[in-house]
Amino acid sequence: QKEVEQDPGPLSVPEGAIVSLNCTYSNSAFQYFMWYRQYSRKGPELLMYTYSSGNKEDGRFTAQVDKSSKYISLFIRDSQPSDSATYLCAMKDSGGSNYKLTFGKGTLLTVNP
Amino acid sequence: SAVISQKPSRDICQRGTSLTIQCQVDSQVTMMFWYRQQPGQSLTLIATANQGSEATYESGFVIDKFPISRPNLTFSTLTVSNMSPEDSSIYLCSALTAVNTEAFFGQGTRLTVV
Repeated sequence: QKEVEQDPGPLSVPEGAIVSLNCTYSNSAFQYFMWYRQYSRKGPELLMYTYSSGNKEDGRFTAQVDKSSKYISLFIRDSQPSDSATYLCAMKDSGGSNYKLTFGKGTLLTVNP
Repeated sequence: SAVISQKPSRDICQRGTSLTIQCQVDSQVTMMFWYRQQPGQSLTLIATANQGSEATYESGFVIDKFPISRPNLTFSTLTVSNMSPEDSSIYLCSALTAVNTEAFFGQGTRLTVV
């Protein structure tokens, strides 16, 4: 079992839809959870950064962490064509190697106008 | 935050040759890293670039194949040596401004080995 599982998609939705992206993980030591957005031929850019369980909202984006289920989600409300990208979940623990990120494979999202 | 510039952005290289990728950060950072992103795969950490000392390599990556330098707090290079088509990938530079903060990435170097 890989440490982080992420459905690669592709996921195609109409403009204005609510998008749900998810990752599951197996390492209970993970404490920090991130979502990155990566446009084609670009590097990943950080969207959301959360610590431990709970929700965090930033504009149209909401990140949820459920540590009891080892499950994280990213919701995109009122999705726009400009949201079309690959979304990567990443996580790390708080131990001595807490700088190391473990990534999912990414989910390719297309928002159709 | 930090802005990370990588060059070249892409290259096509002959097998058996080497390519050096440069990474420049616009501010002093605590840690710098090199990742590889292969099609359909997760980003994989190659090594941590340590200032003034040998890089720390992850399992499966060795210094002879991926020599790394970090002469100061804002600059690092990754060399992909004796390339084969299996080295075709995107190579990404990343940095942390402080421990327990978010990682920033460069735009990547898309390498094709023919």
